[in-house]
Amino acid sequence: AQTVTQSQPEMSVQEAETVTLSCTYDTSENNYYLFWYKQPPSRQMILVIRQEAYKQQNATENRFSVNFQKAAKSFSLKISDSQLGDTAMYFCAVSGAGSYQLTFGKGTKLSVIP
Amino acid sequence: DTEVTQTPKHLVMGMTNKKSLKCEQHMGHRAMYWYKQKAKKPPELMFVYSYEKLSINESVPSRFSPECPNSSLLNLHLHALQPEDSALYLCASSQDHSGSSGANVLTFGAGSRLTVL
Repeated sequence: AQTVTQSQPEMSVQEAETVTLSCTYDTSENNYYLFWYKQPPSRQMILVIRQEAYKQQNATENRFSVNFQKAAKSFSLKISDSQLGDTAMYFCAVSGAGSYQLTFGKGTKLSVIP
Repeated sequence: DTEVTQTPKHLVMGMTNKKSLKCEQHMGHRAMYWYKQKAKKPPELMFVYSYEKLSINESVPSRFSPECPNSSLLNLHLHALQPEDSALYLCASSQDHSGSSGANVLTFGAGSRLTVL
């Protein structure tokens, strides 16, 4: 069984500032993957970043980076230099290796303010 | 081509109608998925096809009938739906790493917004 908890239903950030979205998870899998997906008002779910649990190095993708704390089962997303286009619902998710099951958190609605 | 294309974007149907949602990808992905998403909620998995065979059915009511005619196409046939079935239906695809140590990284379509009257 897997669970994902996003404790911040809504957040806001000023344009060009940095914001961190929190995520904690639980899984019984030894080998698993963690993801952040973004869903803007246009509805399409877009992969922001992924982390392989067996890799200690935190993943980065341009302005997006994660802080992966495996022992604490924490997987937060940091967005630097926030842009208006970052306004979206952000979902944290976990999946076992080779599994079709992707367990999502309830999401954090991020608003970037001009 | 790195897209998953879903049609129609919007669909309104009565409870006695029969309609279909369509999904297409040309990324060579061999796993395809249907998700249902209610407003302000995360997506919920409905079905998974692996190499054109139904692999997962998450106890979805029979009024939803999936079909995978080939490796690029996925359909969801709708019949006798209820108003509570109104939702955004998302299609996704991935490489198929079932049984391996790899990740099935999903690429989503933009969804079909379904309203049942």
